Amino acid sequence: EVQLVESGGGLVQPGRSLRLSCAASGFTFDDYSMHWVRQAPGKGLEWVSGINWNGGNIDYADSLKGRFTISRDNAKNLLFLHMDSLKTEDTAFYYCVKGGGSLTDRTGYSHWGQGTLVTVSS
Amino acid sequence: SYDLTQPPSMSVSPGQTASISCSGHELGTKYASWYQQRPGQSPVLVIYQDTQRPSGIPERFSGSNSGSTATLTISGAQAMDEAHYYCQAWDSKHVVFGGGTKLTVL
Repeated sequence: EVQLVESGGGLVQPGRSLRLSCAASGFTFDDYSMHWVRQAPGKGLEWVSGINWNGGNIDYADSLKGRFTISRDNAKNLLFLHMDSLKTEDTAFYYCVKGGGSLTDRTGYSHWGQGTLVTVSS
Repeated sequence: SYDLTQPPSMSVSPGQTASISCSGHELGTKYASWYQQRPGQSPVLVIYQDTQRPSGIPERFSGSNSGSTATLTISGAQAMDEAHYYCQAWDSKHVVFGGGTKLTVL
């Protein structure tokens, strides 16, 4: 059974940094791209970033470039999202999502974590 | 940037058919996916590649995509189908979600 468990969320002041982690199990982690999708409370879904199987191909939402960094540790089946210069509008649930075999695989996202809440507030 | 437009809300009577639209420039040339999200839960993929249904998704869920509009159809809607529904597509290599449609079954 595929499991994606996010951690690292919490309350952080504007301008500070935070790193989210996602522990993956139940599938061959380094066969798949991975993504982060966020959802502000009561709002819609917003794709944040994606990374291919070996980290050689990475993409970010245009609005986030330069502040967020995605990475992965295939030896430990972990996905990360490092967030710098956080803003109040970054407050959201952050979901870890299993992608397809390539970063641009068009088969949809069949597995999501439960999400971790990041609250940016002074 | 590429935008996908959905109606914010719609309602359907139990047993009737609900059709949720998603509009975007030349959307029919891109693959569309659909997600169901119940309150307090993570999204669930219900349709991918326009018309494909993942295993475990009831047959009453179907999809189509042509021109500039993708459509999710729920035939014989049930109370358990009350949820938010989001369409998704890819603009070059960027993933885009629609704003979501709240479906009420009453």
